[in-house]
Amino acid sequence: QSVLTQPPSVSGAPGQRVTISCTGSSSNIGAGYDVHWYQQLPGTAPKFLISGYSNRPSGVPDRFSGSKSGTSASLAISGLQAEDEADYYCQSYDSSLSVWVFGGGTKLTVL
Amino acid sequence: QVQLVESGGGVVQPGRSLRLSCAASGFTFSINAMHWVRQAPGKGLEWVAIISHDGSNKYYADSVKGRFTISRDNSKNTVYLQMNSLRVEDTAVYYCARVTSGWYNWFDSWGQGTLVTVSS
Repeated sequence: QSVLTQPPSVSGAPGQRVTISCTGSSSNIGAGYDVHWYQQLPGTAPKFLISGYSNRPSGVPDRFSGSKSGTSASLAISGLQAEDEADYYCQSYDSSLSVWVFGGGTKLTVL
Repeated sequence: QVQLVESGGGVVQPGRSLRLSCAASGFTFSINAMHWVRQAPGKGLEWVAIISHDGSNKYYADSVKGRFTISRDNSKNTVYLQMNSLRVEDTAVYYCARVTSGWYNWFDSWGQGTLVTVSS
């Protein structure tokens, strides 16, 4: 059971907007630690996607955005494209456990 | 460009040891903290360990504490993961990853991973 909770799956049609939630607690997201998001395409290593609201590496389109409120964070993907079909993971730090933590991952299916 | 290349994976019997290596290039290795992250077959990502830029600070997941040791050789631009007393549940692809800067920031570069299979 992950310290950060994500829905196992989400789906959307091309062009639509989807959000992926990441629920933590007062010792991680709620303590002010940033939430980072990673994309893992099938059969490949994870890739850093976004941190916070809009800290994206070059090459990541602004269709990807983040948000945070209280003990939760979300990744939003607008204008869904077939190439967005992947697993997405949130990640933060937990001060109570003194460990870096990942969410369980969310599989995005583009219908 | 930043490149991380893991090696050392393979098939090993329960209770035995294995040492993974992660060779870094394309950046000043000695200024970044480094992580090991693993992914069991068909499962999600699990953080394993972190080592500070100079090797003075190390932290581990409870699942590997006392069995795994992370280390680095900045003269060789390499980070290691010594895995002892391996268990079947340690079977996973092991990735090394670089922290962009600082301690709590994101993992901005990942290796391609090396598969460790623990089986009798």
